[in-house]
Amino acid sequence: AQSVTQLDSQVPVFEEAPVELRCNYSSSVSVYLFWYVQYPNQGLQLLLKYLSGSTLVESINGFEAEFNKSQTSFHLRKPSVHISDTAEYFCAVRGAGGTSYGKLTFGQGTILTVHP
Amino acid sequence: EPEVTQTPSHQVTQMGQEVILRCVPISNHLYFYWYRQILGQKVEFLVSFYNNEISEKSEIFDDQFSVERPDGSNFTLKIRSTKLEDSAMYFCASKDSGSNTEAFFGQGTRLTVV
Repeated sequence: AQSVTQLDSQVPVFEEAPVELRCNYSSSVSVYLFWYVQYPNQGLQLLLKYLSGSTLVESINGFEAEFNKSQTSFHLRKPSVHISDTAEYFCAVRGAGGTSYGKLTFGQGTILTVHP
Repeated sequence: EPEVTQTPSHQVTQMGQEVILRCVPISNHLYFYWYRQILGQKVEFLVSFYNNEISEKSEIFDDQFSVERPDGSNFTLKIRSTKLEDSAMYFCASKDSGSNTEAFFGQGTRLTVV
């Protein structure tokens, strides 16, 4: 079984400031890690994923996350946020084994609010 | 770009009534899921469906819930006798085969039980 903890329920920042959204997980097996974003009144969209290889993964809109196995973390960062990044961000984990059928376990979500 | 489609976007139902939430997954995907998010809480896994049968379900998915893929394109979640605590956003998702693929989510159906 897996669990995910997002340490901050809300993160307010000013436009163009850097931001870090924290995510820690626990699992007895190897995992894949994901960040999903939910804009107001929309569904969940995949932002980025770590499956294997380089521990630093990037999205097309400037977000990045680094998988740290020793600290069991997958924090999301962006060096300069925009108003349009205002959304709720969910960290999720999935067992890498073949019997998981792809079930995702989500964190509680972090609401990022970018102020002008 | 292919997407998962859910209908309706919002459903209001009276307690004790049956409700069916509908989803059209991405056409070549093989794994299908339902998740729910009660207001203010985390997204929770309900059930996964593969090869025309339930592959995994959570403790939440009790006898009042059922899933069906009736015609090869739709994927439905039925709640037989709704309770107030079933009020939530329900998300459908689908995934292609292979361990290195991700799930794609629909926009969700907001179910309100009154």
